[in-house]
Amino acid sequence: GAVVSQHPSRVICKSGTSVKIECRSLDFQATTMFWYRQFPKQSLMLMATSNEGSKATYEQGVEKDKFLINHASLTLSTLTVTSAHPEDSSFYICSARSAGVHYGYTFGSGTRLTVV
Amino acid sequence: AQTVTQSQPEMSVQEAETVTLSCTYDTSESDYYLFWYKQPPSRQMILVIRQEAYKQQNATENRFSVNFQKAAKSFSLKISDSQLGDAAMYFCAYRSAWSGGGADGLTFGKGTHLIIQP
Repeated sequence: GAVVSQHPSRVICKSGTSVKIECRSLDFQATTMFWYRQFPKQSLMLMATSNEGSKATYEQGVEKDKFLINHASLTLSTLTVTSAHPEDSSFYICSARSAGVHYGYTFGSGTRLTVV
Repeated sequence: AQTVTQSQPEMSVQEAETVTLSCTYDTSESDYYLFWYKQPPSRQMILVIRQEAYKQQNATENRFSVNFQKAAKSFSLKISDSQLGDAAMYFCAYRSAWSGGGADGLTFGKGTHLIIQP
């Protein structure tokens, strides 16, 4: 089946630094990538949607300058948390979908970000 | 905006018994998709079952079935013959039938923590 590889699984960074999270679709072309954030024992909140080769669409309240999304190829999307602060500590999950597949979402295994 | 409500933060069931997880949603759209996802301690999201709103027949996947009541905007998940491996967080999710501009991202409920008693 379709697999999305997400790295790193865990990262600890110092406040003020930037962290990049990668999601790769291993056996299909991810025309659309979704990025979610999950706080402890809470639901997944959609942060942004990106289509290959175009700018990401951010949900209301999500700072586009803080959470930079790049989707330059059909198999790779990245989320960069810039100038990270402790309140950015969370679990980040990507989800990929192929063109024409209206309800087939493949999730990455998530990245736990801790900012100290 | 659409909202998804899961009113049961936690449910407990004996192994081999049947349990039903509830989900209601609010939307003004007539066409959409509904999903149940399972998130075990590994945090990997696993699709359990999905339902297209235009289909009246309830979706079924082995021990998992849904009761989709479109007029009531209700989408409950029934797990039959519960197994220890079913223990996880279960999330109900909604997706608009429209595409583009983030409309095809998923809106999740807050989740139900399912405990299986051996």
